[in-house]
Amino acid sequence: GDSVTQMEGPVTLSEEAFLTINCTYTATGYPSLFWYVQYPGEGLQLLLKATKADDKGSNKGFEATYRKETTSFHLEKGSVQVSDSAVYFCALSIGSGNEKLTFGTGTRLTIIP
Amino acid sequence: DGGITQSPKYLFRKEGQNVTLSCEQNLNHDAMYWYRQDPGQGLRLIYYSQIVNDFQKGDIAEGYSVSREKKESFPLTVTSAQKNPTAFYLCASSMGERLRNQPQHFGDGTRLSIL
Repeated sequence: GDSVTQMEGPVTLSEEAFLTINCTYTATGYPSLFWYVQYPGEGLQLLLKATKADDKGSNKGFEATYRKETTSFHLEKGSVQVSDSAVYFCALSIGSGNEKLTFGTGTRLTIIP
Repeated sequence: DGGITQSPKYLFRKEGQNVTLSCEQNLNHDAMYWYRQDPGQGLRLIYYSQIVNDFQKGDIAEGYSVSREKKESFPLTVTSAQKNPTAFYLCASSMGERLRNQPQHFGDGTRLSIL
């Protein structure tokens, strides 16, 4: 079946450090890929997405590139801020008539000043 | 503003009691979903609905029930058959088949605890 494997956390970085959160997937079709972010006590918010190979999603300084050859969608940010502290989820959707999402286990990120 | 409203934010259940979690959306989305989130785990799909009066089981439907009588509403009932109901429940919606590969929009969740 479809699955998403995420880098295990928690991850703690200093402010202005470079961030990478790894995500790899297994899917039978051609998935769309998503990164969602969850702030404490809240639901999930879409951070960025990519719907086909070599697409790059970007938002709020975060980027991720859909790499079909390595089945990866790693999240990166060049300079993190304290406000980026949250849990980040990688997810995929096959989109073959239903839009069910398959999630990774989430990576908790803490940024210290 | 358009969005998804879940209520209540916190809910407590006694042993043997059914409870219903509310989810309402005004985004004109066709599809709606219920997920369960446990600490250290990703979200797991409980039920989803692509259209009014139709719904399908997700990966962990046992002990839960849903209805979809209106496009805007997708309530989830946690029955007494669900032996470990303590979790954070998230409702989501999307355009569904009308526009594929679009993201799901999430509510702020309901935290359910056992008394």
